[in-house]
Amino acid sequence: DAGITQSPRHKVTETGTPVTLRCHQTENHRYMYWYRQDPGHGLRLIHYSYGVKDTDKGEVSDGYSVSRSKTEDFLLTLESATSSQTSVYFCAISAVQGAQDTQYFGPGTRLTVL
Amino acid sequence: AQTVTQSQPEMSVQEAETVTLSCTYDTSESDYYLFWYKQPPSRQMILVIRQEAYKQQNATENRFSVNFQKAAKSFSLKISDSQLGDAAMYFCAYRSVPGNTPLVFGKGTRLSVIA
Repeated sequence: DAGITQSPRHKVTETGTPVTLRCHQTENHRYMYWYRQDPGHGLRLIHYSYGVKDTDKGEVSDGYSVSRSKTEDFLLTLESATSSQTSVYFCAISAVQGAQDTQYFGPGTRLTVL
Repeated sequence: AQTVTQSQPEMSVQEAETVTLSCTYDTSESDYYLFWYKQPPSRQMILVIRQEAYKQQNATENRFSVNFQKAAKSFSLKISDSQLGDAAMYFCAYRSVPGNTPLVFGKGTRLSVIA
């Protein structure tokens, strides 16, 4: 699992409330990613980070913000959750195995917005 | 922008038989990477196999192999001697070079294995 944990693993919240999901890695990887998974859409990139305080937007970034104040933590925030943000959220890191870069994923967080 | 298409939302295979999952992609890049990920009911994303576009030889990992057709932009996954544990969602993914660029995923194919 490349030392990736996500918290919480499950969350139910109400529309309009702020929500923060945490991704934590233990192996000092520089690159980290947030994806969301929805039926019929596969996984889509929300935001990614290429270093502390360095982030960029992905395909579905509207309504989300991220922060990375230290290498091991990458936070995803929904400032005001909406029902359309009900999804499974995956964090990933990019790691070199042999001479190859490969992305490894955390266990996911299931978020339900009522 | 690159796109990945998996045209088979669902597939089924008898235990011990062989099944092929299809994937096509669109890109203007000449060098890139392709991946198959497996997602069992546990929801964990597991890397199955990867292919570098500059390599003509098809990648293999035990019972899993790919048929990479660069000109046709096709990247199919063959599972031989299917086992019950192969039942999962399978996602095809594309990644540009250099490394660390985000993945672009297809919508997935749900594979059922019949005992």
